[in-house]
Amino acid sequence: AQTVTQSQPEMSVQEAETVTLSCTYDTSESDYYLFWYKQPPSRQMILVIRQEAYKQQNATENRFSVNFQKAAKSFSLKISDSQLGDAAMYFCASQGGSEKLVFGKGTKLTVNP
Amino acid sequence: KAGVTQTPRYLIKTRGQQVTLSCSPISGHRSVSWYQQTPGQGLQFLFEYFSETQRNKGNFPGRFSGRQFSNSRSEMNVSTLELGDSALYLCASSPQLVYNEQFFGPGTRLTVL
Repeated sequence: AQTVTQSQPEMSVQEAETVTLSCTYDTSESDYYLFWYKQPPSRQMILVIRQEAYKQQNATENRFSVNFQKAAKSFSLKISDSQLGDAAMYFCASQGGSEKLVFGKGTKLTVNP
Repeated sequence: KAGVTQTPRYLIKTRGQQVTLSCSPISGHRSVSWYQQTPGQGLQFLFEYFSETQRNKGNFPGRFSGRQFSNSRSEMNVSTLELGDSALYLCASSPQLVYNEQFFGPGTRLTVL
């Protein structure tokens, strides 16, 4: 069974600063994908970034990047140059093999002007 | 392409009633998944359908059921509603069964009185 743990229920960051959201996971699958989803107040879930476990290179999408530590089963999200529009719930998720997508409990990010 | 659509967006029911929620995936997507989101339990997987077959099922009672039609549209049904069924129900679609980004709909907010 897969598990995903987000140890930070809430985080805050100043506009234009950098923030890192933590995520650890556990899976028995040898091949899996990891995701970060964003859910703003509108409740629409949006994919932020994804990482294929077989790739050593960390994924990046503009201001968003991940630090994927496979041995430690860690998958943190770094948001650079934070903007007010980044304020949202962020969910880390894992999917392996034919297993379902498993989400963490989420981290609420507040961006202060 | 049009995104994932869910109907209705809001629903109020009373205990004991039943409800049917609908999800239309992105054109060409054959996999549809359903999630229940509550403040206490977070995002919990309900079930996943692919080509009209249920491929995965979460740990929910038999009151929760679903189906998928030949055009990939999906419905989920909850019978004998309980107060604890109040939640945001999210539908997500993807082109394939595994290792794909899931595109989420806006959700259906169900309130059980």
